Amino acid sequence: KNEVEQSPQNLTAQEGEFITINCSYSVGISALHWLQQHPGGGIVSLFMLSSGKKKHGRLIATINIQEKHSSLHITASHPRDSAVYICEHPRPEGAQKLVFGQGTRLTINP
Amino acid sequence: GAVVSQHPSRVICKSGTSVKIECRSLDFQATTMFWYRQFPKQSLMLMATSNEGSKATYEQGVEKDKFLINHASLTLSTLTVTSAHPEDSSFYICSAEGQGYGYTFGSGTRLTVV
Repeated sequence: KNEVEQSPQNLTAQEGEFITINCSYSVGISALHWLQQHPGGGIVSLFMLSSGKKKHGRLIATINIQEKHSSLHITASHPRDSAVYICEHPRPEGAQKLVFGQGTRLTINP
Repeated sequence: GAVVSQHPSRVICKSGTSVKIECRSLDFQATTMFWYRQFPKQSLMLMATSNEGSKATYEQGVEKDKFLINHASLTLSTLTVTSAHPEDSSFYICSAEGQGYGYTFGSGTRLTVV
């Protein structure tokens, strides 16, 4: 079992739909990071969260530390939201090591 | 906002040559820089972490003599792929962390070794 599991791996939706991407992890962590990778490869850091919920524009990220689960929501989705979304967290022990999910490829059709 | 400039964006080199990739924080001091590699249709993989003025910490399985990382100043880190081989062809990306700036990613470098 991967340390970080994302679901779904691929998601296609129509413009305006509410989107949910899930991230489950297997070890106790202090924080989780959501990244957005655009088709050209560029990456944007969306959220770093350690508890509760964070909101930025149409994006909402939640985390439940006890259940080892985080979700990324997009409201009123738009074709420009089409990207790969990746969750990542530091590995608790050892040096600065990061564990990445395999990514969720989101396509929003107009 | 914080900007990280990564250069070059694309490079093609011959097998056996070395390639240097630069990652520069433009408007903040990057106390820590991270270097990642991404193969097609795969997720990111952390290669190494570097702190200004000290040796980089390499992830397991990453050859430090092949992937030379230098973080000589608070605004510049370089990754040199030495004696490149076709299997080193990949997308390399850096990110920088500075106090109060979180993580900012460079735009990536697509390396093709022929």
